[in-house]
Amino acid sequence: NAGVTQTPKFQVLKTGQSMTLQCAQDMNHEYMSWYRQDPGMGLRLIHYSVGAGITDQGEVPNGYNVSRSTTEDFPLRLLSAAPSQTSVYFCASSYSETGGLGYTFGSGTRLTVV
Amino acid sequence: GQQLNQSPQSMFIQEGEDVSMNCTSSSIFNTWLWYKQDPGEGPVLLIALYKAGELTSNGRLTAQFGITRKDSFLNISASIPSDVGIYFCGTGNQFYFGTGTSLTVIP
Repeated sequence: NAGVTQTPKFQVLKTGQSMTLQCAQDMNHEYMSWYRQDPGMGLRLIHYSVGAGITDQGEVPNGYNVSRSTTEDFPLRLLSAAPSQTSVYFCASSYSETGGLGYTFGSGTRLTVV
Repeated sequence: GQQLNQSPQSMFIQEGEDVSMNCTSSSIFNTWLWYKQDPGEGPVLLIALYKAGELTSNGRLTAQFGITRKDSFLNISASIPSDVGIYFCGTGNQFYFGTGTSLTVIP
């Protein structure tokens, strides 16, 4: 089925460890973005990309890196995990930055940092 | 950062009742989007609004783009148990989302 695929679905990390959250879409969307969702905070934008080779920071980028080498993939890297990064992470994609037809979200990665 | 103020934060209603929620901002936006999130899943787009004053329906859902372009409203008529979830408003550039309205429908 077409859509946004995120892996893994669940992850537990120790403080200081690094890891990469994977995101892939098969809809040929140019625009992709990463969000974190915390109780009472809604969705907050971490990083986004308007096309292969182009990335930019969102509202809460500290502690995260991204790259966009292909249209399909947009991985999110945690460089040195901290307990404050415990959250649910969502990847989304759209055919345009303005989200004319809305964004398609993945089902999320639930990350716990201990 | 810019926050979209969404209210109410939570609602507990009887099946069959109508629901209203809204989203406001201090900034003007050209597109308003409404999403629903089921437990353990990502948000799914319900309705997109592109024009000030626009009223759009999708089944039992109706959303309106405020005249000032600083707010939007979502109404659900004759609620059913599967309406349970968290409803988010968002802006067209996807930079900002509301904090969500959690809806519980009591059978």
